[in-house]
Formats: sequence, structure tokens, C-alpha cells
Amino acid sequence: DAKTTQPNSMESNEEEPVHLPCNHSTISGTDYIHWYRQLPSQGPEYVIHGLTSNVNNRMASLAIAEDRKSSTLILHRATLRDAAVYYCILNTGNQFYFGTGTSLTVIP
Amino acid sequence: EPEVTQTPSHQVTQMGQEVILRCVPISNHLYFYWYRQILGQKVEFLVSFYNNEISEKSEIFDDQFSVERPDGSNFTLKIRSTKLEDSAMYFCASSEAGLREQYFGPGTRLTVT
Repeated sequence: DAKTTQPNSMESNEEEPVHLPCNHSTISGTDYIHWYRQLPSQGPEYVIHGLTSNVNNRMASLAIAEDRKSSTLILHRATLRDAAVYYCILNTGNQFYFGTGTSLTVIP
Repeated sequence: EPEVTQTPSHQVTQMGQEVILRCVPISNHLYFYWYRQILGQKVEFLVSFYNNEISEKSEIFDDQFSVERPDGSNFTLKIRSTKLEDSAMYFCASSEAGLREQYFGPGTRLTVT
């Protein structure tokens, strides 16, 4: 399974931007980069995904390095509801392999 | 907004018993998945299902597991003879197509005693 590396935890102040990094140096040309998050006691929730170009949606932005070996999830203004574990996942085919993710703490 | 539903929310069973976990995926979705999450650990992929057959499965998904889409709406995970280590949260997910975003259900907490 394709590997990703993320920091175990990060903190952010409320209403400030958050940049969550992910390294995926073994990415292949067909791997999509997905980000999901898991709030306490809930199932994972889709955040964003991309292949090569940067992507924006209502929840976040995804910045993908030119060599695709790393990516960054950007939350533009963190809220208390954004406190969750964020997973960066490489997806080829019909399976997702979750890593241990980054636990984001938002400080009021 | 359409959502994936799962029943029951909590299932308690004795070791060696069979359990069936049920999921209703989003109606126009074609790909279905099961994952599990042991308490305090990461989410683990079990199996994906498309066109009425398993498309991929992990090493965890051994012969004691099976999946079925018995009708047009339900998607089930059966564990034939439960073990203590099967205690976990089991999540069902569905997606419109492969390589697309997956929508997860709220999970079924399975406790094997």
C-alpha cells in the first residue's frame, strides 16, 4: 500500500489558516491524493482530492508539489469544528489505506 | 443531503457467533466499501465491492469475512465466527465511481465478549 507521512499533531489558533503537510515520496503517476478527516466518534469525512493541479473547494484547498512527492491541505480559517484527525491518502484503484493522520487542535 | 446509513449502531456478540452488519449506501453509488477501526488505532481498509463482486480486499479480509449486496439497497458484512480481536468500529462507505470521494456511514461498534 502506498505510504504517506504526516506529523502526528498540530495546533492552530481559531480563525487562523492551517497548513497540514503530507509527504508521499513513493507516489506513482496514477495515484490520486485524497484528504479525509475524522471528527471524534464519527466516520471519516471527505475533504478534498487531486491528481496534479491545485484544487479548491468550499472546505479547503489542496496544494500539490510539482513533483507530486508532497502536498499540503490548507484550511483558510480554522474553526473549533475543524478539530479532527486529518488523513492524507494515496488512492489507486478501489481501496484507501489510511495512515495515522495528523490530529489538529484548534485553540480558541 | 443523501447519506450512508448503518445498522445497528452497536452490536454485542459472544465469541464464535456470526454477525451481520448492515449498510445502506447512497442510492446512485456503484462502489461500496467496508473499513474497520480498532479503538485508538487507524482506519483499516477491508474490502471494496463493485458490480456484485469483490474488486479488492486487504489481508485482514480473510475467509471468516464475506460481503453481499442482497438487494438493490443493502450492503452487508458478515463475520462468520467472531473473535475477541474483531471488536472494533466498522464503517461502510460508498462512492459514485472508483477514484472518487467516498462517503462514510456513522459506523457500527462491534463488541465481542
